[in-house]
Amino acid sequence: DTEVTQTPKHLVMGMTNKKSLKCEQHMGHRAMYWYKQKAKKPPELMFVYSYEKLSINESVPSRFSPECPNSSLLNLHLHALQPEDSALYLCASSHRDNLKETQYFGPGTRLLVL
Amino acid sequence: KNQVEQSPQSLIILEGKNCTLQCNYTVSPFSNLRWYKQDTGRGPVSLTIMTFSENTKSNGRYTATLDADTKQSSLHITASQLSDSASYICVVSAGGSYIPTFGRGTSLIVHP
Repeated sequence: DTEVTQTPKHLVMGMTNKKSLKCEQHMGHRAMYWYKQKAKKPPELMFVYSYEKLSINESVPSRFSPECPNSSLLNLHLHALQPEDSALYLCASSHRDNLKETQYFGPGTRLLVL
Repeated sequence: KNQVEQSPQSLIILEGKNCTLQCNYTVSPFSNLRWYKQDTGRGPVSLTIMTFSENTKSNGRYTATLDADTKQSSLHITASQLSDSASYICVVSAGGSYIPTFGRGTSLIVHP
């Protein structure tokens, strides 16, 4: 199994809603990542988890809250988002947080904030 | 500042033709360079990964080259197919850093 899965595929939410994005991999990878990608732009790194511990937070606003309940799952909790947060949210994983390892990306969750 | 520049920004070719995409980088110290293919609205898919000692890597009709001296890489696509229409992203990682540097991508359109 060389797949990273993400749910939901699409999400529409209001600025007062609370929602969560989910990511799962069963490749035994111990590093997992959240990226945000706007149209026609490269992905921007948000968070890195290494061995279920947050190792990188790229100055992301607190309305985004990551969680890594176990080595296979990664969540991104969303609260009080702004319309400019609308984007494709990508999850990725790699064997470890040594970047010589290829990052495998999920299909993404397309988020629209109204 | 680490930077990755890709050219051309967009490219239109006819089905069956070959094409070459370019990537120049100033990432230091260099660790590895990856090419990804990203279909619209989907996550990137890895095509190749090369470290300092590798100067060519193939994956089917995709062949990547790396010149670490000039800090340039290219991705050559042979006998293009309609399904090759996508954005191709060059990603370079620095040694000791968890944060890769992404290029802005080349948008390739293959016409029948």
